Amino acid sequence: GESVGLHLPTLSVQEGDNSIINCAYSNSASDYFIWYKQESGKGPQFIIDIRSNMDKRQGQRVTVLLNKTVKHLSLQIAATQPGDSAVYFCAEIFYGQNFVFGPGTRLSVLP
Amino acid sequence: DVKVTQSSRYLVKRTGEKVFLECVQDMDHENMFWYRQDPGLGLRLIYFSYDVKMKEKGDIPEGYSVSREKKERFSLILESASTNQTSMYLCASSASGVSAEGYTFGSGTRLTVV
Repeated sequence: GESVGLHLPTLSVQEGDNSIINCAYSNSASDYFIWYKQESGKGPQFIIDIRSNMDKRQGQRVTVLLNKTVKHLSLQIAATQPGDSAVYFCAEIFYGQNFVFGPGTRLSVLP
Repeated sequence: DVKVTQSSRYLVKRTGEKVFLECVQDMDHENMFWYRQDPGLGLRLIYFSYDVKMKEKGDIPEGYSVSREKKERFSLILESASTNQTSMYLCASSASGVSAEGYTFGSGTRLTVV
């Protein structure tokens, strides 16, 4: 469905702490999920993905958790660094090629 | 690495002008997409194309058109720019049988219509 609101949710964390960014998705037919990172002035970059038959996937310093029961996706960043400051958003993919993007969360890392 | 290049980073145009946003990809991808990105609304699909000379409407095609005369180039056209088209425009491309990692975005064009 469409998101509402003209502002971006912001999460502020201390450098070195863990960050958790959440995303709710809408389509129970979605079979693939992606997290993107978008730095200021740049296009979105792929971070990590997860298929619907999994509930957890780990990358380097990042973990994605999927809860299909409540249609919820989260991105955990361990030991957050200043370079992690960006907008993060999720995407759900259904029928193999239809992308629906979340509105995004701005992560600010405090020194 | 796949490169998706958008010709302009910043554009300022007047209301009523015809505006062309260009996107070129260098990996022989079949699929190309145009999105606009607005705070709190996420990325919204304007138009997409699965092949040369093919185009499909996305979720918000009104006020836009596209052109795909060559496989590597996908142009977004604002026939008569309006202030509500002020936004960040993102182009993306992917191969057929898309995998998430193969879905690549350009750096975006920030368009301001005054």
